[in-house]
Amino acid sequence: KQEVTQIPAALSVPEGENLVLNCSFTDSAIYNLQWFRQDPGKGLTSLLLIQSSQREQTSGRLNASLDKSSGRSTLYIAASQPGDSATYLCAVKVIIQGAQKLVFGQGTRLTINP
Amino acid sequence: DTEVTQTPKHLVMGMTNKKSLKCEQHMGHRAMYWYKQKAKKPPELMFVYSYEKLSINESVPSRFSPECPNSSLLNLHLHALQPEDSALYLCASSPTLANSYNSPLHFGNGTRLTVT
Repeated sequence: KQEVTQIPAALSVPEGENLVLNCSFTDSAIYNLQWFRQDPGKGLTSLLLIQSSQREQTSGRLNASLDKSSGRSTLYIAASQPGDSATYLCAVKVIIQGAQKLVFGQGTRLTINP
Repeated sequence: DTEVTQTPKHLVMGMTNKKSLKCEQHMGHRAMYWYKQKAKKPPELMFVYSYEKLSINESVPSRFSPECPNSSLLNLHLHALQPEDSALYLCASSPTLANSYNSPLHFGNGTRLTVT
């Protein structure tokens, strides 16, 4: 059974710092890995998607890496801003019982202090 | 702004009520999903529709009844719910199940449901 773990569960840092969020998964047989952002009471916004054959993806101040063999992904946020405060979720796309599904981690609650 | 639109944003209903949640997308996606998210928990898959046909039902109780009347719309009919069903209900879409291997899911902002 695929399990996804995110560490830390919560993180609070001063504005301007670079930070890394971690995601690990137990089964390397994934199709892709997706990082989402969720603001309180809102839906999920897709940040980055890394295909299983890729090693990293970049979008602005965000960089996501994938090491499928070791079952790890990281989300790097450069020069953090208070607007980055949100919960960050990683999810892996797998085939379970013939159907494609996203398996989510529990999320990291990020607070950027001005 | 999200390209997947969900209505209503908030819903309060009694345990004997019948209500419906609605989801709409105009991106030409042919796979649509319902997820349930409890507070401080990750989303949990409920149903998947592919080409307007139910593809996955994650053993969801029959008091939740999905419907996909056309390729742009997805409904979730609610009847005789329990207080523990209170949650954020999220709709998502993707191009198709077959082509979604490397396509992201697009989520709506959800409906916050409270069952009293």
